[in-house]
Amino acid sequence: DAGVIQSPRHEVTEMGQEVTLRCKPISGHDYLFWYRQTMMRGLELLIYFNNNVPIDDSGMPEDRFSAKMPNASFSTLKIQPSEPRDSAVYFCASSLGLAGGVGETQYFGPGTRLLVL
Amino acid sequence: DAKTTQPPSMDCAEGRAANLPCNHSTISGNEYVYWYRQIHSQGPQYIIHGLKNNETNEMASLIITEDRKSSTLILPHATLRDTAVYYCIAYRDSNYQLIWGAGTKLIIKP
Repeated sequence: DAGVIQSPRHEVTEMGQEVTLRCKPISGHDYLFWYRQTMMRGLELLIYFNNNVPIDDSGMPEDRFSAKMPNASFSTLKIQPSEPRDSAVYFCASSLGLAGGVGETQYFGPGTRLLVL
Repeated sequence: DAKTTQPPSMDCAEGRAANLPCNHSTISGNEYVYWYRQIHSQGPQYIIHGLKNNETNEMASLIITEDRKSSTLILPHATLRDTAVYYCIAYRDSNYQLIWGAGTKLIIKP
């Protein structure tokens, strides 16, 4: 398996523009996670899905952020409108389950580096 | 929400064993201890996990104290490529999600 795939790897946009980040999880994994990482706040969980259904979105900063998972092999994180404070690295991760142990191990993608000017 | 306690940074000479400590004094009896690392500009990478017993894989060894209040990750022969931030994770938030702390920045010196 190729691992978790994210695109684009880098994104530079202007304030107010819409940004869409994409993720393809590892085949067979039932859980998908979106994280944001900044120097100030570290790694923060934004939202996670189980079998394509959003389970917990309490980490989503505000209504400008939305995430979807239309099928088991694809998810998007959208920011509309984008703001400079959204600049960060966004990671997608997937896992088999949440039961603890090897099934809970999360595998991360390479991340999308977003810069909002 | 409780976080694990790790030293912010450590140095280790290349070829020597790197021992990274972690305190999780209030861990629940059924919670696993996970270790990940993040090499600069990459996504976090899983290293190893354990519950009660010591564990070893091709990357590292994990030593968990008998009372489970602390653990140590051991990289037996550190190389320059092991320079990274190492995260010890042992707690979950109210939604059962892993809590990531600040980690230990390990620098391997030639």
